[in-house]
Amino acid sequence: DIVMTQTPLSLSVTPGQPASISCKSSESLLHSDGKTYLYWCLQKPGQSPQVLIYEVSSRFSGVPDRFSGSGSGTNFTLKISRVEAEDVGIYYCMQGIYPLTFGGGTKVEIK
Amino acid sequence: QIQLVQSGAEVKKPGASVKVSCKASGYTFTSYAISWVRQAPGQGLEWMGWINTYNGNTKYAQKLQGRVTMSTDTSTDTAYMELRSLRSDDTAVYYCARINVWGQGTLVTVSS
Repeated sequence: DIVMTQTPLSLSVTPGQPASISCKSSESLLHSDGKTYLYWCLQKPGQSPQVLIYEVSSRFSGVPDRFSGSGSGTNFTLKISRVEAEDVGIYYCMQGIYPLTFGGGTKVEIK
Repeated sequence: QIQLVQSGAEVKKPGASVKVSCKASGYTFTSYAISWVRQAPGQGLEWMGWINTYNGNTKYAQKLQGRVTMSTDTSTDTAYMELRSLRSDDTAVYYCARINVWGQGTLVTVSS
């Protein structure tokens, strides 16, 4: 199975400041169909997870443009350009090649 | 509005089975696969498997092979996940998901 490793484990951010989370996969996530199946999810406290970004850098409808994803192959990054209070929660990267696996999560809190 | 609504919390004894339902609305059910993901208390997310709602094909996580069955009823736009031979470490919140739409979660507690 592909192992997903996220860093850091936690992040404390001042509102309005940027934040960045790294995710590394044990194998390339570039599929034979040319797509890279890397997703970013956010689980807010007490809520179900929500998927913010698919295929490395595409935002789902309704996701603020302060969230951006980048990377290729085995190295990926989620950036929040200006953190807001509503962004607190645990962020997970997830790879979409069978069997799907998740990173261990990065807890983001506000200073 | 697109949503997935799951069945309510369950308490089961070790060795029993549980069947969780996930009713879809607001979109064409057979156009999207449904995945099942679980989260043990205070832990991260674990993918359990997924079902192609169009043809019923399934793929399961290897560690659950033989204990889990995913199915659908296209007449009611409902997906099901059955887990058998329950153990205490199956205690978790179980989610169904259609990529960017997730159910509210179903807490399954396994306790004697």
